Amino acid sequence: DTGVSQNPRHKITKRGQNVTFRCDPISEHNRLYWYRQTLGQGPEFLTYFQNEAQLEKSRLLSDRFSAERPKGSFSTLEIQRTEQGDSAMYLCASSGTQGPRTGYTFGSGTRLTVV
Amino acid sequence: AQKITQTQPGMFVQEKEAVTLDCTYDTSDPSYGLFWYKQPSSGEMIFLIYQGSYDQQNATEGRYSLNFQKARKSANLVISASQLGDSAMYFCAMRERNSGNTPLVFGKGTRLSVIA
Repeated sequence: DTGVSQNPRHKITKRGQNVTFRCDPISEHNRLYWYRQTLGQGPEFLTYFQNEAQLEKSRLLSDRFSAERPKGSFSTLEIQRTEQGDSAMYLCASSGTQGPRTGYTFGSGTRLTVV
Repeated sequence: AQKITQTQPGMFVQEKEAVTLDCTYDTSDPSYGLFWYKQPSSGEMIFLIYQGSYDQQNATEGRYSLNFQKARKSANLVISASQLGDSAMYFCAMRERNSGNTPLVFGKGTRLSVIA
């Protein structure tokens, strides 16, 4: 297993366009998390899946954002009508059921630039 | 309210010296977990060390140790024998209701620069 994979690594889009990011977690991990990280800040929680169920969403996840995890495998994060404030690194992480001592395994992120 | 506070935006350390990165947290939950992550310039977050609120001893992982002072609500990361490859952003994080289901909350991070 090669870890958590995120695609694309970089995305430049014009304001108002829609974008979609993909995350492939570690195969045996049932939990998947999306975070957003802006320059000079720590990652901020967006949403979380356990298997295919979306269990928690942050207030940061406006109605322009939607996330899915069909069949409890990969996940997608879509941003509609992008705004310049959406420019950030979008991080995906996964974790298993080994208990609280195990941290998340993060992907390398997708850097979004809205021009 | 800020749950994780990292007061050092940047730190410098001489190669082979030890360095302490500060982290204080705020929670009323008796069950919580504390984590440290390293983020090199490549962007990937790398899990370093974990401390549970009920753990009796401070956590250690190789050159990393966590100085856990529960009464002060602090969880400082100590890196011994710094290496050039340790230069990165370091984030402290906390999970309340430490069952594994609650998302991690991160601090703003500390940028560590190791000088040869």
